[in-house]
Amino acid sequence: SQELEQSPQSLIVQEGKNLTINCTSSKTLYGLYWYKQKYGEGLIFLMMLQKGGEEKSHEKITAKLDEKKQQSSLHITASQPSHAGIYLCGAETTSGTYKYIFGTGTRLKVLA
Amino acid sequence: ETGVTQTPRHLVMGMTNKKSLKCEQHLGHNAMYWYKQSAKKPLELMFVYNFKEQTENNSVPSRFSPECPNSSHLFLHLHTLQPEDSALYLCASSQLQGGTEAFFGQGTRLTVV
Repeated sequence: SQELEQSPQSLIVQEGKNLTINCTSSKTLYGLYWYKQKYGEGLIFLMMLQKGGEEKSHEKITAKLDEKKQQSSLHITASQPSHAGIYLCGAETTSGTYKYIFGTGTRLKVLA
Repeated sequence: ETGVTQTPRHLVMGMTNKKSLKCEQHLGHNAMYWYKQSAKKPLELMFVYNFKEQTENNSVPSRFSPECPNSSHLFLHLHTLQPEDSALYLCASSQLQGGTEAFFGQGTRLTVV
């Protein structure tokens, strides 16, 4: 079965610093999704990537999907306390029927 | 606000109780999902419904019983749960089962005592 591995598991950065979170899949990704979760709450959709080499940005967050479609990165520029939370990558898998699987998440803390 | 509403937000139940979790979406989505989120584990897919039909049961114990009466509502009926079932239960919906992003509810924090 397909698995997603995220790194790092946790990250503490000073406000204003840049950071990158990685998501690696054991199989080719057909759809890669990035979500943000505040502790104990639901997931907020950030971005979806489908094509190899695709890059999308929203405000200070940029996500890329590599050409081979087995790794994605999420980059935050000039981090702010509002960026703090858990970032999860999710992917579609076609093992059996279409379904979404998720990585273990990266817990981000931004120090003011 | 994602358009997916879950109730209740918090639930404490005894191992002999019967309770239900409710999920509602008015986004016009056709696929709905139940996930379980435990500490330090990836989100675990439990059930998938597509156009009201169950398309996925990820080897979930029978003490969890889903129900999808229409495309807008999804329930998770709980009975004789175990303490290890304590977790955050998340509902999600998507336009289609595959190819589109899923929108999540705020979750129900379940504690089994």
